[in-house]
Amino acid sequence: QKEVEQDPGPLSVPEGAIVSLNCTYSNSAFQYFMWYRQYSRKGPELLMYTYSSGNKEDGRFTAQVDKSSKYISLFIRDSQPSDSATYLCAVSGDSSYKLIFGSGTRLLVRP
Amino acid sequence: EAGVVQSPRYKIIEKKQPVAFWCNPISGHNTLYWYLQNLGQGPELLIRYENEEAVDDSQLPKDRFSAERLKGVDSTLKIQPAELGDSAVYLCASSYGRQASTDTQYFGPGTRLTVL
Repeated sequence: QKEVEQDPGPLSVPEGAIVSLNCTYSNSAFQYFMWYRQYSRKGPELLMYTYSSGNKEDGRFTAQVDKSSKYISLFIRDSQPSDSATYLCAVSGDSSYKLIFGSGTRLLVRP
Repeated sequence: EAGVVQSPRYKIIEKKQPVAFWCNPISGHNTLYWYLQNLGQGPELLIRYENEEAVDDSQLPKDRFSAERLKGVDSTLKIQPAELGDSAVYLCASSYGRQASTDTQYFGPGTRLTVL
């Protein structure tokens, strides 16, 4: 079993839709949760960062962590064609030097 | 400010040939990472440097892969000889500090390697 599981998609939605992207993880020691966005032929870039449980909002993006179920989510409101990319979740533990990535979900927002 | 620079962006080689990738991290970033990203997968850490010291190379296949970070700035990753299964994107990332949990890692665009 992989430490972080993510549905590969692709997920295709119309412009303006609310998008929900999800990951599950297996190790309860993970405390730090990140979402990276990766455009085609580019490197990943950090989009959202959350510590422990709860929600974090940044503009149209909301990251949510439920540690009791080991489930992390990224919501995108009013999705735009420019949001079309692969979204990677990543986790890390306390004092850890290592990021563990999910396999990524491809998102396509249709105009 | 310039981001992480990698070259070449694309490389096509025959199997059993050697290949090298170069990375210039963001100025002032002490920690440098090399990741491997297979198609449809997330990045997987190959090696991590703190300054010029390789502090985690447990995932680097040492029979054919080598890396160096002379003077604690630029880094080179080498494969010799390359195998068909090495076809992937090789990503370089850098961060100011060494904590994966709190120090943001900035990624370069990657080198896409195709081994024929």
